[in-house]
Amino acid sequence: DGGITQSPKYLFRKEGQNVTLSCEQNLNHDAMYWYRQDPGQGLRLIYYSQIVNDFQKGDIAEGYSVSREKKESFPLTVTSAQKNPTAFYLCASSTQGQGGELFFGEGSRLTVL
Amino acid sequence: AQSVTQLGSHVSVSEGALVLLRCNYSSSVPPYLFWYVQYPNQGLQLLLKYTSAATLVKGINGFEAEFKKSETSFHLTKPSAHMSDAAEYFCAVIYGSGNTGKLIFGQGTTLQVKP
Repeated sequence: DGGITQSPKYLFRKEGQNVTLSCEQNLNHDAMYWYRQDPGQGLRLIYYSQIVNDFQKGDIAEGYSVSREKKESFPLTVTSAQKNPTAFYLCASSTQGQGGELFFGEGSRLTVL
Repeated sequence: AQSVTQLGSHVSVSEGALVLLRCNYSSSVPPYLFWYVQYPNQGLQLLLKYTSAATLVKGINGFEAEFKKSETSFHLTKPSAHMSDAAEYFCAVIYGSGNTGKLIFGQGTTLQVKP
């Protein structure tokens, strides 16, 4: 079945460690997105990519990095520079174009110990 | 700044009662509007989408929303709540022209359904 796969679903890390969250889609979508979700704050855009080998910062990009080497994959690295990384991270994809619906993965919950 | 506001972070209804979740956007230009639902520890699923074809939009699971330009609103309703409707609901908007497909989300409304 077509969809978006995020892994791992739960992740624990110690302070000062970088961690990479995986996002893979087989929907043949051009655009991919990373959102961060915190209680009471909705979803905030971290990074997005509209095409392979290109990506743009979202509203809260500091302390995060991404790559888009393949159309299907858009991994997110949470670096040690991110001051409050404990959150629920959601990856999404869409067909490029105005008004496009986003399709979401199941999310990855990161906890920093 | 352009934004979307959901009134009420928590809404509680009895099973069988009307569900009304409020959403207002801040733009004079009709945007693209969406409602998403999120069950615990899962991603978001699209409930319905407004694209200017019709002001009353019907979605999945018996939900519908009405676009009211004069009120800059896009409230979500369901005539009769079911226990399985308990979830978090997000209103989202794409503003203006362009090709980014970047959504702005409201802060979410948690719907509780009491037996």
